Amino acid sequence: VQLVESGGGLIQPGRSLTLSCEASGLTFDDYAMHWVRQAPGKGLEWVSGVSWNSGTRAYADSVRGRFTISRDNAKNSVYLQMNSLRPEDTALYFCAKGASKVYSIYYFMDVWGKGTTVTVSS
Amino acid sequence: DIQMTQSPLFLSASVGGTVTFSCRASQSISSYLNWYQQIPGKSPRLLIYAATSLHSGVPSRFSGSGSGTDFTLTISSLQPEDFATYYCQQGYTRPITFGQGSRLEI
Repeated sequence: VQLVESGGGLIQPGRSLTLSCEASGLTFDDYAMHWVRQAPGKGLEWVSGVSWNSGTRAYADSVRGRFTISRDNAKNSVYLQMNSLRPEDTALYFCAKGASKVYSIYYFMDVWGKGTTVTVSS
Repeated sequence: DIQMTQSPLFLSASVGGTVTFSCRASQSISSYLNWYQQIPGKSPRLLIYAATSLHSGVPSRFSGSGSGTDFTLTISSLQPEDFATYYCQQGYTRPITFGQGSRLEI
């Protein structure tokens, strides 16, 4: 199983950016997917998660209303649309595979990508 | 939100030794507790899920215990590759929350 994130970069405050994560080596639509971020020198912060069929989408308070998670099972991909970016959103963003559809989407994250870096600065 | 508090935040140990990390949840999370290892510059790696279950491919020197609000991760026969930061994470309800991380140093 492999997860490859893309779409990060340097972006000005207030602008928008969309991250992508493409999965391979698994039956993608059997699993929840998540985005987790890590600010430089800091710990892990869960950002958002989506169930296998997009029926459940959940967000951290810090991004709710600004970020939107989505997935395209035909493309084995999950996305994170980030609007109204702030300097505090600067971080390495990891895509992570969640538990199978028989479990809660919050259960665990067992495969992680290498991450894509987002830097919000003027 | 459920707060996850880890202790100690830093621990020094020697190769071959045994260490224990603690994680406390601000309310009961049953057994919905996971442990991850992160080596500097690498992605997190799932070690233990559901408080006590060893994830596939993880060496048996890693073990987890606890339920409710108090949990522990024990690493025995420490190997050089075990020196890393360890995070607990609750999977009981949203939002998913992590502990601050416990750094294990030689």
